[in-house]
Amino acid sequence: DVKVTQSSRYLVKRTGEKVFLECVQDMDHENMFWYRQDPGLGLRLIYFSYDVKMKEKGDIPEGYSVSREKKERFSLILESASTNQTSMYLCASSPLIGRRYNEQFFGPGTRLTVL
Amino acid sequence: GQQLNQSPQSMFIQEGEDVSMNCTSSSIFNTWLWYKQDPGEGPVLLIALYKAGELTSNGRLTAQFGITRKDSFLNISASIPSDVGIYFCAGPFSGTYKYIFGTGTRLKVLA
Repeated sequence: DVKVTQSSRYLVKRTGEKVFLECVQDMDHENMFWYRQDPGLGLRLIYFSYDVKMKEKGDIPEGYSVSREKKERFSLILESASTNQTSMYLCASSPLIGRRYNEQFFGPGTRLTVL
Repeated sequence: GQQLNQSPQSMFIQEGEDVSMNCTSSSIFNTWLWYKQDPGEGPVLLIALYKAGELTSNGRLTAQFGITRKDSFLNISASIPSDVGIYFCAGPFSGTYKYIFGTGTRLKVLA
């Protein structure tokens, strides 16, 4: 079974802090994604990566950056956290090729609160 | 961002009843995915559909890829309390890594 893990389930930070959210997948997937999920807005793509050191902006990249130094790990960085970044953050991964190449597998989520 | 339209938005049903929900788009999709999300958890993939007209089952769940490729349906038979949650459809934009997600159907099962 695919396993996607996220470093924290719950996180509370203060405005202006630098925040790191870590995601690790164990299925050797090429693609990794970061979403945020807010009531009424659904899942919105922040960034995705299709290979080590490769990244592309999603729909709402402002205020975020990402890092992919190893294939299994994709980090989301909030450079200076703000209260409007309080949200549920979801990491996902998918293979690049093969029968299941379109299937995204999600981690359990990190609920971030910025005070 | 763009979203897929799901209906109904929410459902209250009695345990043992069958459930039907659907997902529609103005664009054609080559893949439809159905997820379930429990409160405070990440979405879990239930069923993936790859071909127009395809009907796939996973236990009590059955999903169909619409012939027009612009819709998909999910049925749950003989619902049980643990079926409670939000069901999402999703699909990738053709030729991209970007996915669109449905607005979700919230299911509540009354014992």
